[in-house]
Amino acid sequence: SYELTQAPSVSVSPGQTARITCSGDGLSKQYAYWYQQKPGQAPLLVIYKDNERPSGIPERFSGSSSGTTVTLTISEVRAEDEADYHCQSTDSSGSYWIFGGGTKLTV
Amino acid sequence: QVQLQESGPGLVKPSGTLSLTCAVSGGSFRKTNWWTWVRQTPGQGLQWIGEVFHSASAVYNPSLKSRVTISLDNPNNQSSLRLTSVTAADTAIYYCASVHYFDSGAYFQIDSWGQGTLVTVSS
Repeated sequence: SYELTQAPSVSVSPGQTARITCSGDGLSKQYAYWYQQKPGQAPLLVIYKDNERPSGIPERFSGSSSGTTVTLTISEVRAEDEADYHCQSTDSSGSYWIFGGGTKLTV
Repeated sequence: QVQLQESGPGLVKPSGTLSLTCAVSGGSFRKTNWWTWVRQTPGQGLQWIGEVFHSASAVYNPSLKSRVTISLDNPNNQSSLRLTSVTAADTAIYYCASVHYFDSGAYFQIDSWGQGTLVTVSS
């Protein structure tokens, strides 16, 4: 199996753009997903299929993919965006999920 | 909107068996969805445990496969998770989720999550 690597933390000021990256060999072949998780809450899917937003997720959240690295971009960051962000993909056969270690976004 | 709720003992002894249930309220579980279980160890990341579909066998994380069973209780609209021979490393918040796969499993969306239940393994 392979691993997904995320930086432990990212810090931005309100109104700026936050970019959170996730690296892994399998990301060039399998889709990536991003979850936002606030303290005491279940994860919330904010990006699926590399760059699609589920219904109800603000347009400020976007995803992109390049080779073995995927990026979650949050534009015009707000205080409410402060949370842990987890990337996720699947193994090469698409049989099971793999998560990154998570990135704490501080606003 | 359908809501999921995990329940079960919050404390399990080492070498014992962890048993949790995920129940649906506010409607019926979509028969086109998978029941998925994920856990989160204190201060750590997320780990996928496995999932089950109403007409298929369960699929498990290879690292847990020898100890885990996920099953369905269709009449009661719920799923069960069973993890044997637990150790302190199994102390975590356990979540269930309703997952819909598209294009023959090429990608998915999550319809809902439970709020999670903390299970501590300790004597």
